[in-house]
Amino acid sequence: NAGVMQNPRHLVRRRGQEARLRCSPMKGHSHVYWYRQLPEEGLKFMVYLQKENIIDESGMPKERFSAEFPKEGPSILRIQQVVRGDSAAYFCASSQVGRISYEQYFGPGTRLTVT
Amino acid sequence: GENVGLHLPTLSVQEGDNSIINCAYSNSASDYFIWYKQESGKGPQFIIDIRSNMDKRQGQRVTVLLNKTVKHLSLQIAATQPGDSAVYFCAEMSNTGKLIFGQGTTLQVKP
Repeated sequence: NAGVMQNPRHLVRRRGQEARLRCSPMKGHSHVYWYRQLPEEGLKFMVYLQKENIIDESGMPKERFSAEFPKEGPSILRIQQVVRGDSAAYFCASSQVGRISYEQYFGPGTRLTVT
Repeated sequence: GENVGLHLPTLSVQEGDNSIINCAYSNSASDYFIWYKQESGKGPQFIIDIRSNMDKRQGQRVTVLLNKTVKHLSLQIAATQPGDSAVYFCAEMSNTGKLIFGQGTTLQVKP
């Protein structure tokens, strides 16, 4: 009974490169949420996706960031032309059925370092 | 606006004592609240939740209290153990399903 899986666990990118973060939700879960955590801070919501749909992207920066959750395969958070300020831990959470089931299960996170 | 915050950044307790971690929220319309525990290098782990139609909910060694009048949450941990050392976050769920987290309280348990 695997939990939420994220890879890679650690990612180092130079400024200007692209970062791709992957999230495989728990089995049976069709809702995925991405959060970002800066050092010594709480988690900040970025985006909420269902299969093939973006439900809420109110926390996504307007430029360089995108997310998808295709019908098959993991959810991808993509950051283009990374800058040092993108260095953070990115967490994915999944839930079975949107708000109704309430509980979101978190993955171990991807720690992005931009040099 | 969205504002879920914690009163104290660090709480240090003696092993075996009870711990109380506090949280204030600003959206009086929120109807679901969760406490998470985050250990170093790991993702948040669900501890306990409470809906707004309740004032108190108990789990194993943990109790969450909700005071809607003053928009205050607290997490009580009984007989605190070294394994309880972590950062604790309160979060409220918006009507779109996203979680709004507070800044976190670091709990340090002294042996």
